[in-house]
Amino acid sequence: GQNIDQPTEMTATEGAIVQINCTYQTSGFNGLFWYQQHAGEAPTFLSYNVLDGLEEKGRFSSFLSRSKGYSYLLLKELQMKDSASYLCAVRDQYNQGGKLIFGQGTELSVKP
Amino acid sequence: DAMVIQNPRYQVTQFGKPVTLSCSQTLNHNVMYWYQQKSSQAPKLLFHYYDKDFNNEADTPDNFQSRRPNTSFCFLDIRSPGLGDAAMYLCATSRAPGYEQYFGPGTRLTVT
Repeated sequence: GQNIDQPTEMTATEGAIVQINCTYQTSGFNGLFWYQQHAGEAPTFLSYNVLDGLEEKGRFSSFLSRSKGYSYLLLKELQMKDSASYLCAVRDQYNQGGKLIFGQGTELSVKP
Repeated sequence: DAMVIQNPRYQVTQFGKPVTLSCSQTLNHNVMYWYQQKSSQAPKLLFHYYDKDFNNEADTPDNFQSRRPNTSFCFLDIRSPGLGDAAMYLCATSRAPGYEQYFGPGTRLTVT
Protein backbone atom coordinates (compact mmCIF):
# COMPACT_ATOMS: atom_id res chain seq x y z
CA GLY A 1 0.00 0.00 0.00
CA GLN A 2 0.91 3.66 -0.23
CA ASN A 3 1.06 5.75 2.91
CA ILE A 4 2.60 9.12 3.61
CA ASP A 5 2.33 10.63 7.07
CA GLN A 6 2.88 14.22 8.14
CA PRO A 7 1.69 16.12 11.19
CA THR A 8 -1.56 17.90 10.46
CA GLU A 9 -0.52 21.25 11.85
CA MET A 10 2.35 23.03 13.57
CA THR A 11 2.86 26.44 15.11
CA ALA A 12 6.15 28.31 15.38
CA THR A 13 7.41 31.78 16.18
CA GLU A 14 8.79 34.31 13.72
CA GLY A 15 12.59 34.04 13.57
CA ALA A 16 12.64 30.50 14.94
CA ILE A 17 13.48 27.17 13.30
CA VAL A 18 10.87 24.50 12.57
CA GLN A 19 11.22 20.92 11.37
CA ILE A 20 8.37 19.22 9.51
CA ASN A 21 8.63 15.45 9.40
CA CYS A 22 7.37 13.03 6.77
CA THR A 23 7.38 9.25 6.84
CA TYR A 24 6.43 7.12 3.89
CA GLN A 25 5.67 3.55 2.92
CA THR A 26 5.34 3.13 -0.82
CA SER A 27 5.66 0.22 -3.20
CA GLY A 28 8.55 1.94 -4.95
CA PHE A 29 10.72 4.95 -4.33
CA ASN A 30 12.38 7.25 -6.81
CA GLY A 31 12.66 10.56 -5.00
CA LEU A 32 10.88 12.78 -2.50
CA PHE A 33 9.63 16.31 -3.08
CA TRP A 34 8.55 19.08 -0.75
CA TYR A 35 6.04 21.64 -1.94
CA GLN A 36 4.70 24.79 -0.29
CA GLN A 37 1.05 25.67 -0.78
CA HIS A 38 -0.51 28.93 0.40
CA ALA A 39 -4.25 28.91 0.98
CA GLY A 40 -6.17 28.93 -2.29
CA GLU A 41 -3.03 28.74 -4.39
CA ALA A 42 -1.15 26.05 -6.29
CA PRO A 43 1.72 24.10 -4.73
CA THR A 44 5.18 25.46 -5.48
CA PHE A 45 8.30 23.33 -5.55
CA LEU A 46 10.71 23.68 -2.61
CA SER A 47 13.13 20.75 -2.70
CA TYR A 48 13.93 17.32 -4.03
CA ASN A 49 15.88 14.43 -2.45
CA VAL A 50 16.69 11.12 -4.05
CA LEU A 51 19.87 10.19 -2.15
CA ASP A 52 20.32 10.07 1.61
CA GLY A 53 21.44 13.25 3.24
CA LEU A 54 20.75 16.93 3.53
CA GLU A 55 19.96 19.32 0.69
CA GLU A 56 20.24 22.99 1.60
CA LYS A 57 18.65 25.83 -0.30
CA GLY A 58 18.76 29.16 1.48
CA ARG A 59 16.50 29.14 4.55
CA PHE A 60 15.08 25.76 3.56
CA SER A 61 16.77 22.37 3.94
CA SER A 62 15.46 18.89 3.32
CA PHE A 63 16.78 15.61 4.64
CA LEU A 64 16.18 12.05 3.46
CA SER A 65 16.84 8.61 4.95
CA ARG A 66 15.69 5.95 2.52
CA SER A 67 16.34 3.08 4.91
CA LYS A 68 14.02 4.67 7.46
CA GLY A 69 11.45 5.92 4.97
CA TYR A 70 11.84 9.35 6.52
CA SER A 71 12.33 12.93 5.44
CA TYR A 72 12.14 16.32 7.07
CA LEU A 73 11.90 19.89 5.87
CA LEU A 74 13.77 22.42 7.98
CA LEU A 75 12.80 26.07 7.82
CA LYS A 76 15.16 28.60 9.43
CA GLU A 77 14.64 32.26 10.34
CA LEU A 78 10.90 31.87 10.00
CA GLN A 79 8.96 34.70 8.43
CA MET A 80 5.24 35.39 8.56
CA LYS A 81 4.99 34.61 4.85
CA ASP A 82 6.11 31.06 5.61
CA SER A 83 2.63 30.37 7.01
CA ALA A 84 1.35 27.79 4.53
CA SER A 85 0.73 24.10 4.02
CA TYR A 86 3.82 21.98 3.34
CA LEU A 87 3.27 18.89 1.24
CA CYS A 88 5.55 15.89 1.19
CA ALA A 89 5.30 13.86 -2.04
CA VAL A 90 7.00 10.61 -3.01
CA ARG A 91 7.71 9.71 -6.62
CA ASP A 92 6.64 6.13 -6.77
CA GLN A 93 7.99 4.61 -9.94
CA TYR A 94 9.69 6.31 -12.83
CA ASN A 95 7.80 4.36 -15.46
CA GLN A 96 4.39 5.50 -14.23
CA GLY A 97 4.79 8.97 -15.62
CA GLY A 98 6.59 10.26 -12.56
CA LYS A 99 3.51 9.77 -10.44
CA LEU A 100 3.66 11.66 -7.15
CA ILE A 101 1.93 10.38 -4.05
CA PHE A 102 1.15 13.34 -1.81
CA GLY A 103 0.81 13.47 1.93
CA GLN A 104 -2.05 15.46 3.41
CA GLY A 105 0.20 18.39 4.15
CA THR A 106 1.28 20.11 7.34
CA GLU A 107 -0.39 23.45 8.04
CA LEU A 108 2.28 25.73 9.50
CA SER A 109 1.25 28.87 11.37
CA VAL A 110 3.98 31.41 12.09
CA LYS A 111 3.18 33.73 14.99
CA PRO A 112 4.80 37.09 15.72
CA ASP B 1 7.36 34.24 -18.26
CA ALA B 2 6.91 30.56 -18.98
CA MET B 3 4.06 29.25 -16.95
CA VAL B 4 1.04 27.03 -16.43
CA ILE B 5 -2.28 28.81 -16.87
CA GLN B 6 -5.68 27.61 -15.78
CA ASN B 7 -8.98 29.15 -16.75
CA PRO B 8 -11.26 30.02 -15.20
CA ARG B 9 -9.96 30.40 -11.64
CA TYR B 10 -13.46 29.91 -10.28
CA GLN B 11 -16.19 27.88 -11.96
CA VAL B 12 -19.75 27.32 -10.82
CA THR B 13 -21.82 24.62 -12.46
CA GLN B 14 -25.12 22.95 -11.77
CA PHE B 15 -25.56 19.40 -10.62
CA GLY B 16 -25.41 17.17 -13.70
CA LYS B 17 -24.42 19.93 -16.13
CA PRO B 18 -21.24 19.13 -18.07
CA VAL B 19 -18.29 21.40 -17.39
CA THR B 20 -14.84 21.77 -18.94
CA LEU B 21 -11.76 23.13 -17.23
CA SER B 22 -8.78 24.22 -19.26
CA CYS B 23 -5.05 24.28 -18.78
CA SER B 24 -2.35 25.68 -21.01
CA GLN B 25 1.40 25.81 -20.66
CA THR B 26 4.20 27.76 -22.25
CA LEU B 27 6.92 25.51 -20.84
CA ASN B 28 6.78 23.06 -23.76
CA HIS B 29 6.65 20.21 -21.28
CA ASN B 30 5.84 16.71 -22.44
CA VAL B 31 3.78 15.62 -19.46
CA MET B 32 0.56 17.21 -18.23
CA TYR B 33 -1.28 16.12 -15.08
CA TRP B 34 -4.70 16.76 -13.58
CA TYR B 35 -5.16 16.61 -9.81
CA GLN B 36 -8.25 16.97 -7.65
CA GLN B 37 -7.72 18.56 -4.24
CA LYS B 38 -10.47 18.79 -1.63
CA SER B 39 -10.21 21.00 1.41
CA SER B 40 -7.39 20.01 3.78
CA GLN B 41 -6.59 16.95 1.68
CA ALA B 42 -3.68 15.93 -0.48
CA PRO B 43 -3.86 16.48 -4.23
CA LYS B 44 -5.15 13.31 -5.87
CA LEU B 45 -3.92 12.43 -9.34
CA LEU B 46 -6.78 11.83 -11.78
CA PHE B 47 -4.80 11.18 -14.97
CA HIS B 48 -1.88 12.40 -17.00
CA TYR B 49 -0.72 12.70 -20.59
CA TYR B 50 2.78 11.81 -21.64
CA ASP B 51 2.83 13.45 -25.05
CA LYS B 52 -0.33 11.98 -26.61
CA ASP B 53 -0.43 8.91 -24.41
CA PHE B 54 -3.28 9.07 -21.90
CA ASN B 55 -2.80 7.42 -18.50
CA ASN B 56 -5.84 7.08 -16.30
CA GLU B 57 -5.59 6.35 -12.57
CA ALA B 58 -7.42 3.17 -11.62
CA ASP B 59 -9.72 4.92 -9.17
CA THR B 60 -10.64 7.91 -11.34
CA PRO B 61 -14.40 7.86 -11.96
CA ASP B 62 -15.63 7.50 -15.55
CA ASN B 63 -17.33 10.85 -15.07
CA PHE B 64 -13.92 12.47 -15.55
CA GLN B 65 -12.39 12.64 -19.01
CA SER B 66 -9.48 14.52 -20.50
CA ARG B 67 -8.30 15.77 -23.87
CA ARG B 68 -4.95 17.03 -25.03
CA PRO B 69 -5.33 18.42 -28.55
CA ASN B 70 -1.74 19.68 -28.69
CA THR B 71 1.36 20.08 -26.51
CA SER B 72 0.19 23.33 -24.97
CA PHE B 73 -3.38 22.57 -23.97
CA CYS B 74 -5.10 20.01 -21.82
CA PHE B 75 -8.77 19.89 -20.81
CA LEU B 76 -10.63 18.23 -17.97
CA ASP B 77 -14.24 17.32 -18.78
CA ILE B 78 -16.66 16.41 -16.03
CA ARG B 79 -19.64 14.87 -17.77
CA SER B 80 -22.19 14.95 -14.96
CA PRO B 81 -20.84 16.82 -11.94
CA GLY B 82 -22.09 15.74 -8.56
CA LEU B 83 -21.92 17.65 -5.31
CA GLY B 84 -18.94 15.50 -4.34
CA ASP B 85 -16.95 16.81 -7.30
CA ALA B 86 -16.69 20.27 -5.80
CA ALA B 87 -12.96 20.77 -5.31
CA MET B 88 -9.87 22.58 -6.48
CA TYR B 89 -8.60 21.13 -9.77
CA LEU B 90 -4.88 21.53 -10.31
CA CYS B 91 -3.07 21.17 -13.59
CA ALA B 92 0.66 20.42 -13.52
CA THR B 93 3.36 19.86 -16.11
CA SER B 94 6.79 18.31 -16.14
CA ARG B 95 9.56 18.17 -18.71
CA ALA B 96 9.56 14.40 -18.64
CA PRO B 97 8.20 11.66 -16.38
CA GLY B 98 9.70 11.91 -12.93
CA TYR B 99 10.92 15.47 -13.21
CA GLU B 100 9.78 18.35 -11.03
CA GLN B 101 6.15 19.27 -11.58
CA TYR B 102 5.03 22.85 -12.10
CA PHE B 103 1.50 23.62 -10.98
CA GLY B 104 -1.02 26.06 -12.34
CA PRO B 105 -3.04 28.28 -9.98
CA GLY B 106 -5.96 25.86 -9.99
CA THR B 107 -9.67 26.12 -10.76
CA ARG B 108 -12.03 26.02 -7.83
CA LEU B 109 -15.19 24.23 -8.90
CA THR B 110 -18.49 24.75 -7.11
CA VAL B 111 -21.46 22.49 -7.88
CA THR B 112 -24.90 23.84 -7.01
